Amino acid sequence: EAQVTQNPRYLITVTGKKLTVTCSQNMNHEYMSWYRQDPGLGLRQIYYSMNVEVTDKGDVPEGYKVSRKEKRNFPLILESPSPNQTSLYFCASAQDRVVETQYFGPGTRLLVL
Amino acid sequence: GDSVTQMEGPVTLSEEAFLTINCTYTATGYPSLFWYVQYPGEGLQLLLKATKADDKGSNKGFEATYRKETTSFHLEKGSVQVSDSAVYFCALSQASGGSYIPTFGRGTSLIVHP
Repeated sequence: EAQVTQNPRYLITVTGKKLTVTCSQNMNHEYMSWYRQDPGLGLRQIYYSMNVEVTDKGDVPEGYKVSRKEKRNFPLILESPSPNQTSLYFCASAQDRVVETQYFGPGTRLLVL
Repeated sequence: GDSVTQMEGPVTLSEEAFLTINCTYTATGYPSLFWYVQYPGEGLQLLLKATKADDKGSNKGFEATYRKETTSFHLEKGSVQVSDSAVYFCALSQASGGSYIPTFGRGTSLIVHP
């Protein structure tokens, strides 16, 4: 089954404690991205990757890091989480960056205390 | 920069009512346009798309037509069901130089009562 998986699905942490949210896709897609969803703001892109070892900033990259060492994986790293990073995070992938469908993961709900 | 504006919700309808969710966009080039749906507790999934002017996207009884002259991509359904209750996102994407940042609207919540 074609899918995008994220782990963990729910996470509660404290300010300053480094965390990683994993994302993996099994569709051999070249394009992957991370979004955060906040009430009243819709989805905002954090980072995206056009291919292995190619990443670039989205609309709201501050406080986040990503890496793309393999085609299927695109982890999101919060080196020093802060309460304003409490949000719902989605990973997505697509074969073509412009016209093709983006496939979204189920989401990771993060609470930073 | 590019932007997408959706009507604010929630939109509350009775089953079998007609649905319209308005979406207008601002873009410098020729974007592709999408409607995504998010059911409670799930990620977004594509509902329909259109890649050029006058194209009509359709799926599951939903339709939207790419109107370049009015820069709109309104979502319609003739008869909604309770199972259509979800949040609907209008989005656009286009190549712009060396970057690609798709733009989403803020989402419109639809509540359908039996």
